Amino acid sequence: KAGVTQTPRYLIKTRGQQVTLSCSPISGHRSVSWYQQTPGQGLQFLFEYFSETQRNKGNFPGRFSGRQFSNSRSEMNVSTLELGDSALYLCASSLRQGDYEQYFGPGTRLTVT
Amino acid sequence: GQSLEQPSEVTAVEGAIVQINCTYQTSGFYGLSWYQQHDGGAPTFLSYNALDGLEETGRFSSFLSRSDSYGYLLLQELQMKDSASYFCAADSGGGADGLTFGKGTHLIIQP
Repeated sequence: KAGVTQTPRYLIKTRGQQVTLSCSPISGHRSVSWYQQTPGQGLQFLFEYFSETQRNKGNFPGRFSGRQFSNSRSEMNVSTLELGDSALYLCASSLRQGDYEQYFGPGTRLTVT
Repeated sequence: GQSLEQPSEVTAVEGAIVQINCTYQTSGFYGLSWYQQHDGGAPTFLSYNALDGLEETGRFSSFLSRSDSYGYLLLQELQMKDSASYFCAADSGGGADGLTFGKGTHLIIQP
């Protein structure tokens, strides 16, 4: 069974631009969660989608948004990029909403200049 | 909300045993997970404790004490490949906080 895939793997953007990241979960998994990972803050929960609905949201500004499609694939969007948004963005899929066992993708490394 | 504390770095010798501690403060807690992440890699799930006590999976064991809001990951017969970051994560049972991770413990294995 194929793992979680994320595209693109690397991205360089300029401050003020917007970016869209994509995540394809493991086949059969209906929950997709997004995390931001930085050296100083560790793994921080952004949001979780289950059955095309956002179920949970972390403490991030409204510039961070996402959606999930009927095939469970998910996208995350960050608008008006700031230097502090530079991070590794990880998505994780699981069978159930709020599952403690999550399968992570390789991440998208975003650099904002 | 939830917050988890774990040491930032632990050093151990190949073949030895090491324990990585995690304390948590939560407003809603269902269980504690552990994840391993090698440099440049994705976190991978190791274990989960919903009940007090020890869960053993090969060389790795995880312990939870709900009364003490405390858990640990025990790694035995350490191998060089165990050098990685280890994260504890609190599960809120699908609640608003999702899965909340500690900041991770960087485990250094010395020969």
